[in-house]
Amino acid sequence: SQQGEEDPQALSIQEGENATMNCSYKTSINNLQWYRQNSGRGLVHLILIRSNEREKHSGRLRVTLDTSKKSSSLLITASRAADTASYFCATEEGNNRLAFGKGNQVVVIP
Amino acid sequence: GAVVSQHPSWVICKSGTSVKIECRSLDFQATTMFWYRQFPKQSLMLMATSNEGSKATYEQGVEKDKFLINHASLTLSTLTVTSAHPEDSSFYICSAVAGGPETQYFGPGTRLLVL
Repeated sequence: SQQGEEDPQALSIQEGENATMNCSYKTSINNLQWYRQNSGRGLVHLILIRSNEREKHSGRLRVTLDTSKKSSSLLITASRAADTASYFCATEEGNNRLAFGKGNQVVVIP
Repeated sequence: GAVVSQHPSWVICKSGTSVKIECRSLDFQATTMFWYRQFPKQSLMLMATSNEGSKATYEQGVEKDKFLINHASLTLSTLTVTSAHPEDSSFYICSAVAGGPETQYFGPGTRLLVL
């Protein structure tokens, strides 16, 4: 089932700016993960946040999780042209099964 | 990090033929692999869970007789699209689980075009 939903769907920003995207889900989760996908390629795991965590950092990435609102956000600081990609959230539904959201396409303009 | 490969990376076939896609975990053993399908500009849709030595578990709406999955070893799962039709044209991606949820690795995908 697909329960993660991101908003907005497309984002175009200047290099150096921050990019924020959101994800909402509907059911209880064990964890929520964010992935990046370059055009026509496989997925790259970015970060995982567990249901008992509220915020997590990894390099220029900052993820928040609000289980009361069933939502998560991904912030990319000081964006670079190489950050241009599609970003997906995915919720782990048990037994390692992932439900992916619709995805955000981010374009970073040099 | 762990590497998952897929073969072929792309395939073009005629309508009615069958196509086999391989998913291999190169440096770890994967008791569980997953198969996803992604249409252009859309998200990944989980098709099935492939468990080594047992029958695959298919998601609702996925035809098990059309998408045959075989997980013959701890490093190889295959997806066969039988009697492919143009509507089966898509990007097929597999993932392999090495341990817990933090250790799921994705393959580079296989693009299938059915003429």
